[in-house]
Amino acid sequence: DGGITQSPKYLFRKEGQNVTLSCEQNLNHDAMYWYRQDPGQGLRLIYYSQIVNDFQKGDIAEGYSVSREKKESFPLTVTSAQKNPTAFYLCASSRDRPPDTQYFGPGTRLTVL
Amino acid sequence: EDKVVQSPLSLVVHEGDTVTLNCSYEVTNFRSLLWYKQEKKAPTFLFMLTSSGIEKKSGRLSSILDKKELSSILNITATQTGDSAIYLCAVDPSGTYKYIFGTGTRLKVLA
Repeated sequence: DGGITQSPKYLFRKEGQNVTLSCEQNLNHDAMYWYRQDPGQGLRLIYYSQIVNDFQKGDIAEGYSVSREKKESFPLTVTSAQKNPTAFYLCASSRDRPPDTQYFGPGTRLTVL
Repeated sequence: EDKVVQSPLSLVVHEGDTVTLNCSYEVTNFRSLLWYKQEKKAPTFLFMLTSSGIEKKSGRLSSILDKKELSSILNITATQTGDSAIYLCAVDPSGTYKYIFGTGTRLKVLA
């Protein structure tokens, strides 16, 4: 089955720890994205990547880092520098030929204890 | 500053009602507008509207883009409890893949 997978589904972190959220897609999409969703707010773009070994900051990149070493993988690291990391994180992918829609993974809910 | 505003923020209707959700935008170099349905986790794609495709329909759902008013509406006729969800609107402002999302409209359909 083609799609996007994210793991883990739920993640608990102690303050001061870095954590990495996984995102994998087998849709052969070039572009991948990370969003953060907070209650009562829309999705906000953290990072996006249009091609392997290249990525761009979104609107709220501070405290986050990413890598794109493989086409199918786009992991997100939430660092200790992120002051308020508790949120729902969504990964998405799309073909790199606009206009096109984004397909979303099931999300990871991160809670800082 | 580019922005997308959705209204209403929440809506409660009864099965069989017709609802209209609104999305207005202020962006530079508009390229496309997307509607998503988010039930529990991942948003699922509904429609994409562009300057060359301003009206879409799928079953009980339909959407129109008004380029003059810089807005879009999502209509759902004969609503069912399964339509209960958050409906998200997103706009691609300049072809850079940096979609801007609205806060969403939370729809609840009562049996």
